[in-house]
Amino acid sequence: DQQVKQNSPSLSVQEGRISILNCDYTNSMFDYFLWYKKYPAEGPTFLISISSIKDKNEDGRFTVFLNKSAKHLSLHIVPSQPGDSAVYFCAASGYLSGNTPLVFGKGTRLSVIA
Amino acid sequence: EPEVTQTPSHQVTQMGQEVILRCVPISNHLYFYWYRQILGQKVEFLVSFYNNEISEKSEIFDDQFSVERPDGSNFTLKIRSTKLEDSAMYFCASSTGQPQHFGDGTRLSIL
Repeated sequence: DQQVKQNSPSLSVQEGRISILNCDYTNSMFDYFLWYKKYPAEGPTFLISISSIKDKNEDGRFTVFLNKSAKHLSLHIVPSQPGDSAVYFCAASGYLSGNTPLVFGKGTRLSVIA
Repeated sequence: EPEVTQTPSHQVTQMGQEVILRCVPISNHLYFYWYRQILGQKVEFLVSFYNNEISEKSEIFDDQFSVERPDGSNFTLKIRSTKLEDSAMYFCASSTGQPQHFGDGTRLSIL
């Protein structure tokens, strides 16, 4: 039951270029979406989120785009840096308030090459 | 910056034994969660906890699992009789809403 799908297990990008990570979801009840970054031997670290009433949210080098009609979101990292190399998880939840379980994708491993 | 802390970082247990995983959530957070990640698979929700009771649990969270907030700071996950398939990373998370903030996990290895 893959409600949240990240179809690219890995991505390699040159330093300074744009990284684009993609995520699709199937459950139309999801209305809040998050990206987490995970380094080895650490827990997921929250990166950026977007609610379904928006189509874009930006925080520094990170921008998340949401296309509700396509049930698709993407994370753009510009410019990519070697320290961005990590596994990126897309997650979705039913609503913004607390207590709602997150449903995660399988993750995309980003490698930024110097 | 406040963080969620989990102990131990690695727990090795014989099959059939009980294990308790411990978490100290961020101090002003009200919602607490456990997730797990089996090697090579997704992070999966186990249970959420609010106001001293379980709010929601997944199908994974069967009678072998229990959670407790024994005092004002700790949040624990107990597995009563461990099975080989319980081997996984277990992540604790806490929040005031969204986003949820995760600890670094406990690697549970069942022999």
